[in-house]
Amino acid sequence: DTAVSQTPKYLVTQMGNDKSIKCEQNLGHDTMYWYKQDSKKFLKIMFSYNNKELIINETVPNRFSPKSPDKAHLNLHINSLELGDSAVYFCASSQDGQALGYSYEQYFGPGTRLTVT
Amino acid sequence: QKEVEQNSGPLSVPEGAIASLNCTYSDRVSQSFFWYRQYSGKSPELIMSIYSNGDKEDGRFTAQLNKASQYVSLLIRDSQPSDSATYLCAVKKYYIPTFGRGTSLIVHP
Repeated sequence: DTAVSQTPKYLVTQMGNDKSIKCEQNLGHDTMYWYKQDSKKFLKIMFSYNNKELIINETVPNRFSPKSPDKAHLNLHINSLELGDSAVYFCASSQDGQALGYSYEQYFGPGTRLTVT
Repeated sequence: QKEVEQNSGPLSVPEGAIASLNCTYSDRVSQSFFWYRQYSGKSPELIMSIYSNGDKEDGRFTAQLNKASQYVSLLIRDSQPSDSATYLCAVKKYYIPTFGRGTSLIVHP
């Protein structure tokens, strides 16, 4: 049973379109993340939610909007897609709370390869 | 800007040798340290986590942490061609993760 799943796995679309990527985790974790990995393989954090609350909101275009309907799901909606949005997007989860203490490892989904033409 | 630095490589070692991967970080308050392995076209998978100074061993892998020097390393003993991948160092403070750019490891037969 997949721990962190993402849909779709591949997404090919044209510039200007709006698309969504969905993520679900069945690990019972409190925190979920979205990362972008570009062609140079750098893994850049975009957003993080803890129990449906946005806790990390890095500098990304406001065309990107995360939404967490519950703590097991974190979706990413992208408006007006641009060529530079082409990348692999990874969802991840971890058993972290906002309390001080250990920060736990993250488990990654399989990724969504987005190609904007 | 909190940073995690890794040598991009590639690091090339012969099969059976020890591969040594290094990582430095800038934020002294960092709490948790992780090594992930990423094969081409796949997602990162956790290899090791380490939270306190010293060594932590798991099979052929040993993670070493020196908080005073802000340095974390990963040793892979008896390297195998299947270890060829990109190794990502990650540092977390509370729930905030920062990844290095990764070191490419090539293990040749």
